[in-house]
Amino acid sequence: DAKTTQPPSMDCAEGRAANLPCNHSTISGNEYVYWYRQIHSQGPQYIIHGLKNNETNEMASLIITEDRKSSTLILPHATLRDTAVYYCIVRPSSGGGADGLTFGKGTHLIIQP
Amino acid sequence: ETGVTQTPRHLVMGMTNKKSLKCEQHLGHNAMYWYKQSAKKPLELMFVYSLEERVENNSVPSRFSPECPNSSHLFLHLHTLQPEDSALYLCASSRDSSETQYFGPGTRLLVL
Repeated sequence: DAKTTQPPSMDCAEGRAANLPCNHSTISGNEYVYWYRQIHSQGPQYIIHGLKNNETNEMASLIITEDRKSSTLILPHATLRDTAVYYCIVRPSSGGGADGLTFGKGTHLIIQP
Repeated sequence: ETGVTQTPRHLVMGMTNKKSLKCEQHLGHNAMYWYKQSAKKPLELMFVYSLEERVENNSVPSRFSPECPNSSHLFLHLHTLQPEDSALYLCASSRDSSETQYFGPGTRLLVL
């Protein structure tokens, strides 16, 4: 699986958009970009994933660069409950070998009141 | 609520005890997973089951023994654990092993 690089921490003001970057310069053509978040001591929560096109759901938007070497997760109107560790993960579209997710250290996003 | 439940939520056990962690998914998924999250460390994959067969054992010590009796249930049997095995144990499931994984709330385990 390709390696991802994320900033260890970020601050964002409540009500503003939170933009979380992720670099995945060694991503392969069949690898998806997944985003999860983990609120303290809870299980990771799936947010969104994409392959090439930008994606949006009720939680967030995912912007993937044209060369697919980086992406940005956007929380449009951050609330205090969005404070969590956010993980960017790349994984193949089909299994083969390890089918689990490889988690890094993620970005600790802190929403400031 | 993700449709994946885990019991117990908290467990304290001695090194000579035998205990089991239970995971149940109500999503009709065919793949289930155990992960371990030690303090200040990333989540680590332990086991993968697909259609009730173990397809991945990520070099986990034999004191951890998984069991998948059917596609809805997954157990992790624990025996003669060490204090360093204290961690958050997380279960996840997915429609198949290439699809999005959904996690349970975890079991916080303390080994004394």
